[in-house]
Amino acid sequence: AQSVTQPDIHITVSEGASLELRCNYSYGATPYLFWYVQSPGQGLQLLLKYFSGDTLVQGIKGFEAEFKRSQSSFNLRKPSVHWSDAAEYFCAVGGPGAGSYQLTFGKGTKLSVIP
Amino acid sequence: EPEVTQTPSHQVTQMGQEVILRCVPISNHLYFYWYRQILGQKVEFLVSFYNNEISEKSEIFDDQFSVERPDGSNFTLKIRSTKLEDSAMYFCASSPSGVAALQETQYFGPGTRLLVL
Repeated sequence: AQSVTQPDIHITVSEGASLELRCNYSYGATPYLFWYVQSPGQGLQLLLKYFSGDTLVQGIKGFEAEFKRSQSSFNLRKPSVHWSDAAEYFCAVGGPGAGSYQLTFGKGTKLSVIP
Repeated sequence: EPEVTQTPSHQVTQMGQEVILRCVPISNHLYFYWYRQILGQKVEFLVSFYNNEISEKSEIFDDQFSVERPDGSNFTLKIRSTKLEDSAMYFCASSPSGVAALQETQYFGPGTRLLVL
């Protein structure tokens, strides 16, 4: 069964500092990988996705993520964090061959930004 | 930019009552989903729906749950007899047709927060 692990429950960074949120997945084939962001009281917004090809993918709001098959990881990065990035971030995995298109989510990482 | 919308944003109900959560998926999308997020826990898949029938459902989606696309725009989740443990945020999502990669790009609504008393 597919699964996602986000080892960091809560991360605090200073505004302007760099950010890396970790995501490890378990999936039997080449996965489809996603990062979503959830601001307080809001829904899930798609930040970026990886299907195939270039392992470094660019997303919205200056985020990027790198797929590393050897490490089963899909870490999210941003070179300079803004206060408005404070939110909860969810990594998700899906993929063909499972018989459906359901996404499996990690437990999320809450990001706090210090001014 | 097209969005998935959900109504109501909040709903409070008594245990044992029926609730219907409504969603309007993005207009040209053909795959529809419901997920839920119990407070403090991960987002969990409930059900997927395509071509007017359920494609897959999770163990959570038992007989008290049902989904329907009553017209060309709405997609509903009905909980027949609510339990305390049904209290959660319920998210609707939709994805377009096409290759599997597109079908798996799911766009989520803002959610309905359901509180069962």
